[in-house]
Amino acid sequence: DAGVTQSPTHLIKTRGQQVTLRCSPKSGHDTVSWYQQALGQGPQFIFQYYEEEERQRGNFPDRFSGHQFPNYSSELNVNALLLGDSALYLCASSSQGRNSYEQYFGPGTRLTVT
Amino acid sequence: DAKTTQPNSMESNEEEPVHLPCNHSTISGTDYIHWYRQLPSQGPEYVIHGLTSNVNNRMASLAIAEDRKSSTLILHRATLRDAAVYYCILRHTLGGTSYGKLTFGQGTILTVHP
Repeated sequence: DAGVTQSPTHLIKTRGQQVTLRCSPKSGHDTVSWYQQALGQGPQFIFQYYEEEERQRGNFPDRFSGHQFPNYSSELNVNALLLGDSALYLCASSSQGRNSYEQYFGPGTRLTVT
Repeated sequence: DAKTTQPNSMESNEEEPVHLPCNHSTISGTDYIHWYRQLPSQGPEYVIHGLTSNVNNRMASLAIAEDRKSSTLILHRATLRDAAVYYCILRHTLGGTSYGKLTFGQGTILTVHP
């Protein structure tokens, strides 16, 4: 079982550009959540996808959007990048069924905006 | 979201018990108390959760105050691998087995000395 995987591991972008981050959930999981973690801070919830729809959203602007595919994998898109978007982006997967209380996190994608 | 308050940092010696406190005076009846930890350069990982009764699992124990306004995560014998940031999180239930987002605070940085 590969667990939650994320790609790429690291990414450097320029202010104003757009970026797409990818996540494959743990086998058997159908729900994907995305979090942003700035240096020295706890992760902040961006949104959650289930059945290919956004189910919950945190306090993030519309520049942050996502998608979930039929195989449960997910993408996070960020448009018009700002310097403040530099952070570790974490993907977490879970199941709506039994044992849904636990979220499994991936290792994250480190995004640097210059 | 109901908030939690944790000490910024704590220290322990290897093989000694560690008690990590958390205050959550505004907890509601539908909030579960979750603990996650984040090891260096990794995503957070689930540790334990509970509602009203004390809970034990292979990683730790969770002691919940009778009024539920505070809780304590107990590591019975700390090891060097337990050095991490520990997050106490209140998580809503959305009905059935569905849980809401994880709202992370600053957490407690645990240092374990050999």
